[in-house]
Amino acid sequence: GAVVSQHPSWVICKSGTSVKIECRSLDFQATTMFWYRQFPKQSLMLMATSNEGSKATYEQGVEKDKFLINHASLTLSTLTVTSAHPEDSSFYICSASKYNEQFFGPGTRLTVL
Amino acid sequence: AQSVTQPDIHITVSEGASLELRCNYSYGATPYLFWYVQSPGQGLQLLLKYFSGDTLVQGIKGFEAEFKRSQSSFNLRKPSVHWSDAAEYFCAVGSILTGGGNKLTFGTGTQLKVEL
Repeated sequence: GAVVSQHPSWVICKSGTSVKIECRSLDFQATTMFWYRQFPKQSLMLMATSNEGSKATYEQGVEKDKFLINHASLTLSTLTVTSAHPEDSSFYICSASKYNEQFFGPGTRLTVL
Repeated sequence: AQSVTQPDIHITVSEGASLELRCNYSYGATPYLFWYVQSPGQGLQLLLKYFSGDTLVQGIKGFEAEFKRSQSSFNLRKPSVHWSDAAEYFCAVGSILTGGGNKLTFGTGTQLKVEL
């Protein structure tokens, strides 16, 4: 199989605080992981491509200083939303690449009050 | 740049009826094509994929899709829909990354409702 987990599954935080979301590939090693953002009833928007041992590649319009991505090992990538504001509230989904296929985590619902 | 169009935002079908969800793509080379399904508040599950070879691909849950290069389409079909198929369906096209892996571009999705 190819299982990807995310933690936490949901988080509520106060405006101005930082939140870290973990993405793990449980039964395979992933050189490349991806982070997506999904607004209600909308499609997935790729935020960044995370490569193990190197800096993430951010999509145009995504603030790299606000959405910090670290891919420290072949099974773990983290997304930190720094100084979160209500407009950052969203559903964040990660995926891990195996061969030419992406396997998706269950998502993290972030609510910023 | 690659893009995916799913013309139908919502589709309602009766249980037992056949289903076809449309997907058109724009890509400069031979595309890698995917269909995913998403239940509310959940991640994405792969239904099927096309990389090369037979243009009619079979997937899980009784779904199939046909790659038609001349029409730049990759429509998803199911002969008989079940109530549990109600969900959001996303078509995606993938481009190979230099370092490996596939970068996906998603369509806007089609919300499927199934009437009992």
